Amino acid sequence: QVQLVQSGAEVKKPGASVKVSCKASGYTFTSYYVHWVRQAPGQGLEWMGLINPNGGSTNFAQKFKGRITMTRDSSTSTVYMELSSLTSEDTAVYYCARPFWNGYSFRFDYWGQGTLVTVSS
Amino acid sequence: QSVLTQPPSTSGTPGQRVTISCSGTSSNIGTNTVNWYQQLPGTAPKLLIHSNNERPSGVPDRFSGSKSGTSASLAISGLQSEDEADYYCAAWDDSLNGRLVFGTGTKVTVL
Repeated sequence: QVQLVQSGAEVKKPGASVKVSCKASGYTFTSYYVHWVRQAPGQGLEWMGLINPNGGSTNFAQKFKGRITMTRDSSTSTVYMELSSLTSEDTAVYYCARPFWNGYSFRFDYWGQGTLVTVSS
Repeated sequence: QSVLTQPPSTSGTPGQRVTISCSGTSSNIGTNTVNWYQQLPGTAPKLLIHSNNERPSGVPDRFSGSKSGTSASLAISGLQSEDEADYYCAAWDDSLNGRLVFGTGTKVTVL
């Protein structure tokens, strides 16, 4: 069965960086993009960007360009999302998600369990 | 920043029918399909409706979706206590080199 397992909670100081991992299993890693979505406490869902594990190309939301990096390790079927220059506004639960796309319909049919990142001095 | 607009909350008694609206633009809902996600407290979102009106396997048929122009809606008929959750619409947006946009979210309360 398809699983996305994320790394554990992190506490970071303002100005630091955080790197969250998402290990995929149950499907061919290079056949599906991986997206990242975050949710601040009590707030809605916010799309951050995507990575194509087949080649490593990325596309980021305008808001995060310049301080977000997404990479992948095909040997371990793991995707990484790194966010730098953290502020308290980056405190959120970060989710990885695997989409289904057939040229007509796009949706997330699998999600990771979420990783809480707390930014505090 | 959410691009799709939803009402912040709605409520109903068990057995009632509630609807949630989702308003977008020509670059997102007007062009692409709409999905709905249900999020229970402390859990990851779960796909509830895809391709405007399709239910994934296992989703009860009291959940239904529709789309017209640049708006979409989710209906829950025969409301049950376990339906108390947050609901989000989502669609791909063709502007700004492509991005996914979510709705602002609607809290459904079962009275």
